[in-house]
Amino acid sequence: GAGVSQSPSNKVTEKGKDVELRCDPISGHTALYWYRQRLGQGLEFLIYFQGNSAPDKSGLPSDRFSAERTGESVSTLTIQRTQQEDSAVYLCASSFTGTTSGNTIYFGEGSWLTVV
Amino acid sequence: AQSVTQPDIHITVSEGASLELRCNYSYGATPYLFWYVQSPGQGLQLLLKYFSGDTLVQGIKGFEAEFKRSQSSFNLRKPSVHWSDAAEYFCAVGARGYNTDKLIFGTGTRLQVFP
Repeated sequence: GAGVSQSPSNKVTEKGKDVELRCDPISGHTALYWYRQRLGQGLEFLIYFQGNSAPDKSGLPSDRFSAERTGESVSTLTIQRTQQEDSAVYLCASSFTGTTSGNTIYFGEGSWLTVV
Repeated sequence: AQSVTQPDIHITVSEGASLELRCNYSYGATPYLFWYVQSPGQGLQLLLKYFSGDTLVQGIKGFEAEFKRSQSSFNLRKPSVHWSDAAEYFCAVGARGYNTDKLIFGTGTRLQVFP
């Protein structure tokens, strides 16, 4: 597709269940980012992938959060044993290379997660 | 550590009035600075970015921003606001490191425009 695609767009889950969020980056983009945005707040960095290099996982809030990406393709963000504080919009973004290379970073529409 | 501060949580202006949204950053090297806009129910859209060169940067929708190294600021301006500019605005700095090259965002400024 033309832009960053995320699925599901909305997800309601029960506390304690696991969820998987998917991101399809723009074709050819080697850099992929996940951010979390709680209601009325800013964007928290979660994880950064660049090609086949080791990812920057420094923003993952706990060991319940993990993310994978195979090469330069789809990424999956997994949240295990969800808690109510995990309720947020999870935004994925991609770019040709990282932020300091002059390339624009494109964001998806986000996956709205509600934990009840 | 790199960080971005947006001191104004909420700003209200009248349509046609001028606008300035403040942004201060903390970064050890030459910063790469960005402004994004997020409209209700919409994704994030890049307004403009600063990498080097002219410190006054022009963006889309009539916005501009000025990089001032001495003040560690990158304020966003628009001479005449339109009702459609009502949105959330985020300032961000590019943070490059050993295995990272990510964006660090401020907490955002919500702009409300009155007719």
